[in-house]
Amino acid sequence: GAVVSQHPSWVICKSGTSVKIECRSLDFQATTMFWYRQFPKQSLMLMATSNEGSKATYEQGVEKDKFLINHASLTLSTLTVTSAHPEDSSFYICSATTDSNQPQHFGDGTRLSIL
Amino acid sequence: KQEVTQIPAALSVPEGENLVLNCSFTDSAIYNLQWFRQDPGKGLTSLLLIQSSQREQTSGRLNASLDKSSGRSTLYIAASQPGDSATYLCAVNPRTSGTYKYIFGTGTRLKVLA
Repeated sequence: GAVVSQHPSWVICKSGTSVKIECRSLDFQATTMFWYRQFPKQSLMLMATSNEGSKATYEQGVEKDKFLINHASLTLSTLTVTSAHPEDSSFYICSATTDSNQPQHFGDGTRLSIL
Repeated sequence: KQEVTQIPAALSVPEGENLVLNCSFTDSAIYNLQWFRQDPGKGLTSLLLIQSSQREQTSGRLNASLDKSSGRSTLYIAASQPGDSATYLCAVNPRTSGTYKYIFGTGTRLKVLA
């Protein structure tokens, strides 16, 4: 149980395009989903927290107009990287949880490469 | 500001050895702490979750301990196997202002040699 599916797993696109990444909780309802970014050989940095039906809370230094997050249902959150540039290339990982007493369950990540 | 550090950054051991991974955090006011495993290019797999009121958790060959007062947690791996090779991350949940976002450590890259 507690499976989180992230799609796509890998995407390459040209500079200036927008990319949408989906995060789905397959067998549980996730009241809260988190989006992380990970640079090579570094740890995960939290970008934003999203609760179903409300606006995401972004961490300091993360541009909310650049990284659009939508959490329209209890099983789906999306991250859209708008007008992506090479510096946005990274590994993006989502996680989902039902509440603070429960573990966070992570997706397999999306490797984004902007040419 | 909560900071999480893991030592060592990398570790290489022969198969069968018992080993300890360390995680330290600067603010003892945490809600819980979780240990994860990450394989190259993959997401995270949860290993153990320790609530702030607990001292340790066990799952198979893994045992995690928590000492909040000293700001430390250890992950003990018994009888290590090549399949244990991965990066191990610890994360603390400071649970401030009603949120429960995690702050991750820098990770320990483990290689178990056959």
